Amino acid sequence: DQQVKQNSPSLSVQEGRISILNCDYTNSMFDYFLWYKKYPAEGPTFLISISSIKDKNEDGRFTVFLNKSAKHLSLHIVPSQPGDSAVYFCAASARIGNEKLTFGTGTRLTIIP
Amino acid sequence: AAGVIQSPRHLIKEKRETATLKCYPIPRHDTVYWYQQGPGQDPQFLISFYEKMQSDKGSIPDRFSAQQFSDYHSELNMSSLELGDSALYFCASSLLSSGQETQYFGPGTRLLVL
Repeated sequence: DQQVKQNSPSLSVQEGRISILNCDYTNSMFDYFLWYKKYPAEGPTFLISISSIKDKNEDGRFTVFLNKSAKHLSLHIVPSQPGDSAVYFCAASARIGNEKLTFGTGTRLTIIP
Repeated sequence: AAGVIQSPRHLIKEKRETATLKCYPIPRHDTVYWYQQGPGQDPQFLISFYEKMQSDKGSIPDRFSAQQFSDYHSELNMSSLELGDSALYFCASSLLSSGQETQYFGPGTRLLVL
């Protein structure tokens, strides 16, 4: 039972354009969401997070949007840079008494120079 | 800034052997999490510790055990290894007591069971 889903296994975007990565979840108890970037043979690197009390959080080139009614979140990267090429994981947790992360299956983002 | 340290980075074992993976959290972090990532899969939660006490348990086999020590480092002990245990094992840490829920991951230990 995949509670966090990233339906696009891969995405290619031209350098300088906007990259939009999507994530859907089914567990209504999730109230904290994170995006991680992962290179091969390395651990996930934290990018940005959002609490369920917000619908948007921005940090530099990264913006995360949360639509609770649709149980959907997205990560926008603008402008996209070649160094952004990696696998991106969406993760969620139900914070009260249960902080473990449930991960999506990942989206491989390739930025085309 | 100091990050999560994991050792060893790579480990090769044979079936039925034992393995011990170590994790050193970011200084002052009080919570440690262990995740397993199989080939082509997303990371799966195994177990976590808060202030040296087990706080949550996921899909961790009975053959595995873990603990967090007084210096907050953690060890994952794996016995009677099976081929299916071959995976990347990640440790993450956070500072829950200050309400900082973000988990920061180490580089992982790649375990290969032959």
